[in-house]
Amino acid sequence: KNEVEQSPQNLTAQEGEFITINCSYSVGISALHWLQQHPGGGIVSLFMLSSGKKKHGRLIATINIQEKHSSLHITASHPRDSAVYICAVGGTGGGADGLTFGKGTHLIIQP
Amino acid sequence: DAGVIQSPRHEVTEMGQEVTLRCKPISGHDYLFWYRQTMMRGLELLIYFNNNVPIDDSGMPEDRFSAKMPNASFSTLKIQPSEPRDSAVYFCATKKTGLAVSYNEQFFGPGTRLTVL
Repeated sequence: KNEVEQSPQNLTAQEGEFITINCSYSVGISALHWLQQHPGGGIVSLFMLSSGKKKHGRLIATINIQEKHSSLHITASHPRDSAVYICAVGGTGGGADGLTFGKGTHLIIQP
Repeated sequence: DAGVIQSPRHEVTEMGQEVTLRCKPISGHDYLFWYRQTMMRGLELLIYFNNNVPIDDSGMPEDRFSAKMPNASFSTLKIQPSEPRDSAVYFCATKKTGLAVSYNEQFFGPGTRLTVL
């Protein structure tokens, strides 16, 4: 079973700061997911990536398949970015369609 | 599309009672997943279906848990009898199969917050 580790567990930063959240996993995968969970509890998929880099607005996700590592970056952070960010792997078929999740990073952006 | 629909959104019950959680997938999605989220263990896969057939139920914690998908539009997760340690948020998620990696994105429902007293 894949082990997914995220760091840091908690992060508090000031508005405007550049944020980095890291994720590592133990077994080779085909795709990695970054999810966002707001205080209300809903989960939204931010990115799904299998190689390289993806960008959406102020969010950037990168993955290094060889090193089994991914990072999520937030540029010009804003209080509305405050949420739990969860890394997950799997979900790409071959009988391994379910996701395995990290414990999440609780991000607070202070004004 | 309304997205993944779960009901009820909140459920409070007493130990020993039967609990049934419901999920309606996004139309056309052929995979359905049940996940559980607790403070201690985070998010965990319980079971998933493909074309209404259970594929992997290795995450179902005990025989007290059962899940069904009688048709493409509906799934239930049942706990009988319920125990306080079953208190958690239960999420249903669905996805559409396809060859492209992008088809592997999962869409989550709002969750059901279960409290067993």
